[in-house]
Amino acid sequence: AQSVTQLGSHVSVSEGALVLLRCNYSSSVPPYLFWYVQYPNQGLQLLLKYTSAATLVKGINGFEAEFKKSETSFHLTKPSAHMSDAAEYFCAVSETGSNDMRFGAGTRLTVKP
Amino acid sequence: DAGVTQSPTHLIKTRGQHVTLRCSPISGHKSVSWYQQVLGQGPQFIFQYYEKEERGRGNFPDRFSARQFPNYSSELNVNALLLGDSALYLCASSLAGGANYGYTFGSGTRLTVV
Repeated sequence: AQSVTQLGSHVSVSEGALVLLRCNYSSSVPPYLFWYVQYPNQGLQLLLKYTSAATLVKGINGFEAEFKKSETSFHLTKPSAHMSDAAEYFCAVSETGSNDMRFGAGTRLTVKP
Repeated sequence: DAGVTQSPTHLIKTRGQHVTLRCSPISGHKSVSWYQQVLGQGPQFIFQYYEKEERGRGNFPDRFSARQFPNYSSELNVNALLLGDSALYLCASSLAGGANYGYTFGSGTRLTVV
């Protein structure tokens, strides 16, 4: 069964520092992987997605993620945090042919000035 | 172009009542999925509809039902509301059925059951 685990419910970084949000997945078939961002009182916005075309995926707002099959990981990174990056981030997985997407519990990113 | 629109944005209901939430997908998108997001948790899959047919259902009781109309808009109905149904209900649209290529989400309907 497909599932994701996000390590760390809360991550705090200084402005300009590296952002690293961790996601590990479980899937019995090749997965499709996603990162979404949610700002307060809003819906989810797609940051990036892995669909097997390339292991390093670049997304919006300077974020990128690398698919590592051997580690079953899909960690999200950004070289330099900005205050506007403060939000809740969700990793999600969908198995090939699946009609549903499974989300992790989320990681709240705080950016300190 | 309009994104995914949901109505109402907020509502308060009493235990035992019924509620209907509405969603209009992005123009040209034929699939609508519904998710429930309880405070502090990730979204959980409720239903997916594609071309007016149910294509998937999550682990929710029969009190939850949905339908999709010929114009691809959708309604989510919840009967006999419980306090635990309080959540943000998210609608997501996509061009086709399945969840492999991602969704565009609406801003959600915040349901509070008292």
